[in-house]
Amino acid sequence: DAGITQSPRYKITETGRQVTLMCHQTWSHSYMFWYRQDLGHGLRLIYYSAAADITDKGEVPDGYVVSRSKTENFPLTLESATRSQTSVYFCASSDPSNQPQHFGDGTRLSIL
Amino acid sequence: DQQVKQNSPSLSVQEGRISILNCDYTNSMFDYFLWYKKYPAEGPTFLISISSIKDKNEDGRFTVFLNKSAKHLSLHIVPSQPGDSAVYFCAASDAGGTSYGKLTFGQGTILTVHP
Repeated sequence: DAGITQSPRYKITETGRQVTLMCHQTWSHSYMFWYRQDLGHGLRLIYYSAAADITDKGEVPDGYVVSRSKTENFPLTLESATRSQTSVYFCASSDPSNQPQHFGDGTRLSIL
Repeated sequence: DQQVKQNSPSLSVQEGRISILNCDYTNSMFDYFLWYKKYPAEGPTFLISISSIKDKNEDGRFTVFLNKSAKHLSLHIVPSQPGDSAVYFCAASDAGGTSYGKLTFGQGTILTVHP
């Protein structure tokens, strides 16, 4: 089925480890986004991408790295995880046909 | 500094009555506003939107009102149903009146509709 999928759905890791969250969409949307959801903050934008090989920082980019070598994939990497990065991470996609962003079901990441 | 604020963390209403969720924003550059609904363990799903050139948009039981001078928008759900129980996020975009750009979200309001 067409859609946007995130993997893994749940991840537990330790501080200092590198962890990559995957996001894959089948709509060929040009725009992709990564958000984190924390209590009291709603969803905050980490990074976004307007097309393959074009990425830009959002509101809270520190400690994160993204890449977009293919239109359908937009992985998010925490190079050295910290406890403050414990959160629920959502990937989203959209395109310039003026349709709103569609979200994946999220990855719940716990850093011990 | 929170540019989009939902000041009510929760709202409880009776089935069949009206639910009114509120949202305030501070950035005058925002020109497109959206409401998303989120169930536990799922991603947010788009509900309804409004462009800054309008002051009202309706879709079935859902109506969004925009008051640009007050920098305030609200979502009305009537009649409310138990299945509407979820977290509601308002979001705003400054992408030239489009809905596909970067979004700034409020903190969310937990709506509970009692049978």
